[in-house]
Amino acid sequence: ETGVTQTPRHLVMGMTNKKSLKCEQHLGHNAMYWYKQSAKKPLELMFVYNFKEQTENNSVPSRFSPECPNSSHLFLHLHTLQPEDSALYLCASSQEGVPYNEQFFGPGTRLTVL
Amino acid sequence: TQLLEQSPQFLSIQEGENLTVYCNSSSVFSSLQWYRQEPGEGPVLLVTVVTGGEVKKLKRLTFQFGDARKDSSLHITAAQPGDTGLYLCAGERPLQGAQKLVFGQGTRLTINP
Repeated sequence: ETGVTQTPRHLVMGMTNKKSLKCEQHLGHNAMYWYKQSAKKPLELMFVYNFKEQTENNSVPSRFSPECPNSSHLFLHLHTLQPEDSALYLCASSQEGVPYNEQFFGPGTRLTVL
Repeated sequence: TQLLEQSPQFLSIQEGENLTVYCNSSSVFSSLQWYRQEPGEGPVLLVTVVTGGEVKKLKRLTFQFGDARKDSSLHITAAQPGDTGLYLCAGERPLQGAQKLVFGQGTRLTINP
């Protein structure tokens, strides 16, 4: 247990569906992240939220829409995805403002887009 | 262009052998972190190295940060099947006043009994 939970753990969706991924951290951190992990690519940073404000959008397509209602919860809303969006989506949290951005990851959501 | 290059990408060895994994870049990092990821789980932080030339040990794992803070290595002595997993290095760089992690593509390690 890393203190970061993600639901669902597995998701299969069609290209016309709308779904949401949820992340919750129980560590009291003030920064949360969404990463995409594909089979043949390194971990790709998608979004960063610091004190609920989005500080990074790493050229992510608009079919991915993040939401951070408070410092403990992070959502990733998905709509009209493409098969190439199939991947493991990881949420992480850290404490900004202290030395070294050591991140704590959730177990991920394995997403398959048909 | 990959900012952090890890080598080898795949490694399969017998239990009891030693191995070294490398993480190289042309960029300087304020810190370098190593994570291990097991199937069905997210990466878990193993160690953070900060100072050029720094060496840290975690039981049979030895981590070293290059003198110029551009590269790092992970050495495992007498590997065990429990060491099997995906090892990721991540360099920390400043981004808009915050710190951002850049990950290597990982080394998938298999230790055979």
